[in-house]
Amino acid sequence: DSGVTQTPKHLITATGQRVTLRCSPRSGDLSVYWYQQSLDQGLQFLIQYYNGEERAKGNILERFSAQQFPDLHSELNLSSLELGDSALYFCASSVTGAGQGGETQYFGPGTRLLVL
Amino acid sequence: AQSVTQLGSHVSVSEGALVLLRCNYSSSVPPYLFWYVQYPNQGLQLLLKYTTGATLVKGINGFEAEFKKSETSFHLTKPSAHMSDAAEYFCAVTRIQGAQKLVFGQGTRLTINP
Repeated sequence: DSGVTQTPKHLITATGQRVTLRCSPRSGDLSVYWYQQSLDQGLQFLIQYYNGEERAKGNILERFSAQQFPDLHSELNLSSLELGDSALYFCASSVTGAGQGGETQYFGPGTRLLVL
Repeated sequence: AQSVTQLGSHVSVSEGALVLLRCNYSSSVPPYLFWYVQYPNQGLQLLLKYTTGATLVKGINGFEAEFKKSETSFHLTKPSAHMSDAAEYFCAVTRIQGAQKLVFGQGTRLTINP
C-alpha cells in the first residue's frame, strides 16, 4: 500500500459526459501528479500540482483539467469524453516535487475509465 | 527532450534463470533514472532509482541496475527469477532539476516459466 488513494476504482460512462477522478496523496506529500496509461500511448504525464499551484503540464487535453485543494487532495476533471479517453488514470505523490530532482513518486492504484 | 527505450516488449525466462530487462535513455544531460514494477490490476511500485553516487543500485526483491553513462543505459537484472516476478516493468527518467514529471518507456512484460 503506497498510501495514495484514488476513487473511484472503476468508472463506466458514455461519450460526451464529464467525470471527476479523485486522489488523496500520502500524508505530508505536497505534490500530486496525474498520469494516463493507455494501450496505444503507454504511460504519459498529464499534470503536476505542488501545494495547490500548477507546476508542470504535459500532454493534457484542453477537455481535461485538474486542481489541488487546500487539504492537498486533487481532482482530475475529464469532459466531453471520447472513446479514446478510455484508459487507466494514475495519481502519484511526492514529498515536494519542487526543484531538486530524484524524489520517489508514490502511485495510487488507479482509476479505470471506460467510455462507451 | 527526454525519452526512454525499453528493448523487448515481452521477455520470458525460466524460474531460477537470470532476468535482464534493457533500458536506454536519451537526454541532453544525464537524468535521474527509475525502474517501476506494475503487478496486474495494481499501481506502480518503485523497484530502485539512480540519482547520484554509486552507479550500481540495489532495489527491492533482489533487483539491481547499473547506470552506464557511456552507453546511456540503465538495465535491470536479477540473478534468479521467481514466479512472483511476473509483472510489467517500466524504466523512467526525470530531469535533475525543474519539472519532475516521469518520462516512461513503453514497458516490458516479464513472464516466468516454471
